[in-house]
Amino acid sequence: GQQLNQSPQSMFIQEGEDVSMNCTSSSIFNTWLWYKQDPGEGPVLLIALYKAGELTSNGRLTAQFGITRKDSFLNISASIPSDVGIYFCAGHNDMRFGAGTRLTVKP
Amino acid sequence: DGGITQSPKYLFRKEGQNVTLSCEQNLNHDAMYWYRQDPGQGLRLIYYSQIVNDFQKGDIAEGYSVSREKKESFPLTVTSAQKNPTAFYLCASSPGARIGNEKLFFGSGTQLSVL
Repeated sequence: GQQLNQSPQSMFIQEGEDVSMNCTSSSIFNTWLWYKQDPGEGPVLLIALYKAGELTSNGRLTAQFGITRKDSFLNISASIPSDVGIYFCAGHNDMRFGAGTRLTVKP
Repeated sequence: DGGITQSPKYLFRKEGQNVTLSCEQNLNHDAMYWYRQDPGQGLRLIYYSQIVNDFQKGDIAEGYSVSREKKESFPLTVTSAQKNPTAFYLCASSPGARIGNEKLFFGSGTQLSVL
């Protein structure tokens, strides 16, 4: 399958800080998907991106589909304790996931 | 409520034993998937099925088997050939493999441990 590299692997931030993470691929994707996994649960879809250059928001979350179609970014503004979890990126028609970014938010 | 249900939540396997993890969805989705997650790791694709009576191997299919006799069900059997089965197993479904239909809906997972 295609190679998906997610970074950073983990982040420890203070409540209220903004967060940025990204995902890069060795190949072009037509779609980027971002999921969040709470401990002991299955991932839940946060944002789906379908067009190069697209910028989409979902509350405090904003994601962008890179112009090269080989990368995507997820930003979280004004983090809160319930943002804790693992964030995964995934690509269309490949159904493979990045290794995830583990986010810890200190109150 | 529509959704995807995995059972049991916790499962224990003895050496040399086969165990089957259940996954049922009532979302009328065509495609279903099984992933394995090891502690602190990402999701690795075991098997997937895009239509009833058809399934494909993923990246780590060795030691696992599946069936897709009904649209709503996609059970995973962890065989005795899988030497390191302890992991968190996630089942997912999606409406299909066309653009716009690839969002995955996940169950809440089954934690399998070896006794």
